[in-house]
Amino acid sequence: EAQVTQNPRYLITVTGKKLTVTCSQNMNHEYMSWYRQDPGLGLRQIYYSMNVEVTDKGDVPEGYKVSRKEKRNFPLILESPSPNQTSLYFCASSQPGLAGLEQFFGPGTRLTVL
Amino acid sequence: AQSVTQLGSHVSVSEGALVLLRCNYSSSVPPYLFWYVQYPNQGLQLLLKYTSAATLVKGINGFEAEFKKSETSFHLTKPSAHMSDAAEYFCAVSASGGNKLVFGAGTILRVKS
Repeated sequence: EAQVTQNPRYLITVTGKKLTVTCSQNMNHEYMSWYRQDPGLGLRQIYYSMNVEVTDKGDVPEGYKVSRKEKRNFPLILESPSPNQTSLYFCASSQPGLAGLEQFFGPGTRLTVL
Repeated sequence: AQSVTQLGSHVSVSEGALVLLRCNYSSSVPPYLFWYVQYPNQGLQLLLKYTSAATLVKGINGFEAEFKKSETSFHLTKPSAHMSDAAEYFCAVSASGGNKLVFGAGTILRVKS
């Protein structure tokens, strides 16, 4: 089954404790992105990657890092989480050239930073 | 830069009534437009997408949307609301060569019995 998976689905942590949210897709897509969802703001892109070792900032990159060492994986790293990073996070993948440039989303990771 | 405006953060309809969720976009290039639905405590599910083929797009669960270039709109409709349609709906436009979606703020649909 074609899918995007994320782990963990739920995470409660404390300020300053480094964490990583993993993302993996099995569709051989070139593009991958991370979004955060906040009430009243919709989803906003954090970082994106157009291929292995190619990443760039999205609209709200502060406090986040990413890496793309393999095509299928795109982890999101919070080196020193703060309470304002409490949010719902989605990973997505897409393939250039596919009709409509549709993005496929993972199930989401709900992060709480105390 | 592309942007999306969804009019109405909350919409309430009676079961069986018409659903109309409004979306206006701004884009400097011919857009690809999407509607996603998010049920409580779930991820995003694609309802439908506009890819410059037909202007009237039919999606899942009886939803459809019409692309109107002159009005820069892509409103979502359903003739008869069902209780199971209660969810948050997001309109989005493809941007930056397809490596991201720009989302509206979302509209929460409430269906009254």
